[in-house]
Amino acid sequence: DADVTQTPRNRITKTGKRIMLECSQTKGHDRMYWYRQDPGLGLRLIYYSFDVKDINKGEISDGYSVSRQAQAKFSLSLESAIPNQTALYFCATSDSRTGRGQYFGPGTRLTVT
Amino acid sequence: AQTVTQSQPEMSVQEAETVTLSCTYDTSESDYYLFWYKQPPSRQMILVIRQEAYKQQNATENRFSVNFQKAAKSFSLKISDSQLGDAAMYFCAYRSGRNTGTASKLTFGTGTRLQVTL
Repeated sequence: DADVTQTPRNRITKTGKRIMLECSQTKGHDRMYWYRQDPGLGLRLIYYSFDVKDINKGEISDGYSVSRQAQAKFSLSLESAIPNQTALYFCATSDSRTGRGQYFGPGTRLTVT
Repeated sequence: AQTVTQSQPEMSVQEAETVTLSCTYDTSESDYYLFWYKQPPSRQMILVIRQEAYKQQNATENRFSVNFQKAAKSFSLKISDSQLGDAAMYFCAYRSGRNTGTASKLTFGTGTRLQVTL
C-alpha cells in the first residue's frame, strides 16, 4: 500500500464550486505539505503543517485553506474554484527528526472550467 | 531567498549510456540539503537521491550519483547505464538545514525532461 495517498486522483469542477482534496499518510511523519505544480514553474508551496495545531501559509496560499484533522490527514480546500487554480496538486510528508527529504503522494489533477 | 536553476529543459540519452543533468542553486546558508526527484509519466514524485551540504563525499544510489560542488553551488545528477524506465522529468530541490517554518519547504527547479532512446 502507498505511504501517502491522495483523493481524488483527478477532478473536473466548475468555477465557483467548493472542492476538497484529501491526503492521508501511514509513514508516521509529523509534517505535511501541500504543493501546486504548474508547467514550467516547478512545485510551489501552498500550506504546511508541523502538527495538528500548527498550520502555516506557504508562498501561494491565497484562495486556499487547509485542515489537519489528525497527524495522518491533511486536507486542502478551494472555497470558490477559479480557472487559474487548474494544476497538479501534491501532498507531501516529512519527519522533523531527519533530513531525509519529503515524500510525495501521487498527485491530484484538478481542472476548473 | 534560495533559488534553484536547471538550465537544461530537455536532455536525451541512449539506452546503456551515461547522462548528466545540471543544477545550480543560490543560497547564503552553509547548512542545507539537496535532492533530486524523478517524475515519470505517472506523475508521482519519487525521491532519487539526497546530499547533505556538510558531507564532502558525493551521494550515490545504485546507478545514480551526484557531483556536489559546494563552492560553485552546483549539484549535478549522473545516471549510468541508462534504462528506458529512467525517462522522466527530473527536479532538483533545495531545503534549508534550519528545518523550521517555511525554511523546511523544498525549493524546486523547473525540471529537466530526460528522454531515453534505443
